[in-house]
Amino acid sequence: GQQLNQSPQSMFIQEGEDVSMNCTSSSIFNTWLWYKQDPGEGPVLLIALYKAGELTSNGRLTAQFGITRKDSFLNISASIPSDVGIYFCAGHKRQGAQKLVFGQGTRLTINP
Amino acid sequence: NAGVTQTPKFRVLKTGQSMTLLCAQDMNHEYMYWYRQDPGMGLRLIHYSVGEGTTAKGEVPDGYNVSRLKKQNFLLGLESAAPSQTSVYFCASSYVSQETQYFGPGTRLLVL
Repeated sequence: GQQLNQSPQSMFIQEGEDVSMNCTSSSIFNTWLWYKQDPGEGPVLLIALYKAGELTSNGRLTAQFGITRKDSFLNISASIPSDVGIYFCAGHKRQGAQKLVFGQGTRLTINP
Repeated sequence: NAGVTQTPKFRVLKTGQSMTLLCAQDMNHEYMYWYRQDPGMGLRLIHYSVGEGTTAKGEVPDGYNVSRLKKQNFLLGLESAAPSQTSVYFCASSYVSQETQYFGPGTRLLVL
């Protein structure tokens, strides 16, 4: 089945640093979503993007819907220890049986 | 308001055994989903339901069956468990618009 290419797969950073991750696809999506998963928990929605070119913020998180509608980016500014976890992108199409497609995840580790 | 709940949290099965995973949501959502999460694979859709009494196949439906007899519940069944079904299973639900899915805490299944 189709999957999104999410990179990087893992990141090791110092507390206070900024983080960038992205997701790309060979096909167009109508909506891009970013989720965060803490250990032993289910994914929690962080940001939803509905229009090409849209830039949306949620606190220290900023995400963008790529102009081509085939990619999306997530930035985290001034990272803190509770940012640790796995971040997933997801693309939504209005057609087809599988309507929400997930990336493989970016595992973020923060050194204090 | 508990959101999405899943039972059990953890289960060990022997090959060939059967079991049912229960998902319940109290948000009056129309859509419900079952995903499996494996390392490096992200989340893959097993089956989903667009309303009470309906079910449909997702990306990886083989070896699983589902039922949605009540709007608030979505059951995932394994008739004859196989080691390849060792995974973490997540249930999710959403309103008619499928973009914003809310996830449960997951069920860890180990098939020996």
